[in-house]
Amino acid sequence: AQTVTQSQPEMSVQEAETVTLSCTYDTSESDYYLFWYKQPPSRQMILVIRQEAYKQQNATENRFSVNFQKAAKSFSLKISDSQLGDAAMYFCAYRTAPSGYALNFGKGTSLLVTP
Amino acid sequence: EAQVTQNPRYLITVTGKKLTVTCSQNMNHEYMSWYRQDPGLGLRQIYYSMNVEVTDKGDVPEGYKVSRKEKRNFPLILESPSPNQTSLYFCASSLLGTANYGYTFGSGTRLTVV
Repeated sequence: AQTVTQSQPEMSVQEAETVTLSCTYDTSESDYYLFWYKQPPSRQMILVIRQEAYKQQNATENRFSVNFQKAAKSFSLKISDSQLGDAAMYFCAYRTAPSGYALNFGKGTSLLVTP
Repeated sequence: EAQVTQNPRYLITVTGKKLTVTCSQNMNHEYMSWYRQDPGLGLRQIYYSMNVEVTDKGDVPEGYKVSRKEKRNFPLILESPSPNQTSLYFCASSLLGTANYGYTFGSGTRLTVV
């Protein structure tokens, strides 16, 4: 079975600090794509960042970056200079063509940002 | 504006009363999918469609039906809802071609079955 594990159900960070959310996945495919989605209280699903598995370079989007360790099947999200608006549920996911292009999600990490 | 539109946003119904949640996208995406989100379980795929008249089961299809008669629409049908189908439902769409494309999600439908 293909799975995504987010081992931290909840995390807390102070405003302006840095936090890292962990994610591990298990797939037998060699070609796949990894994503982090943010779900604020409005419940809208927002794409934060994506990573192609064949690229060694870690993806970066402004204050968001990933640490992609392909051999370890690890895909952590780092949020720098945390802001109150970053408070949300964060979901790690991957997608492969052989799986019917389904997005396979982890169970999520709830991030609290304190002033 | 490119978007996925789901309706209704909130729905309370009684056990056994058939209902349909509509989903429409204006991006000409081939791929559409339905997910349900439950606390502690993340998002799980119910059904998906790769094109008109092509649908397939996801991980949790029991109790649901879908149809894809037009490219833009992908309704979710609950023929006889039960309380265990109380959940937050998302419709999503994407281009096909590679798995690089992320989904565009609708705003969600909060369904309560009493």
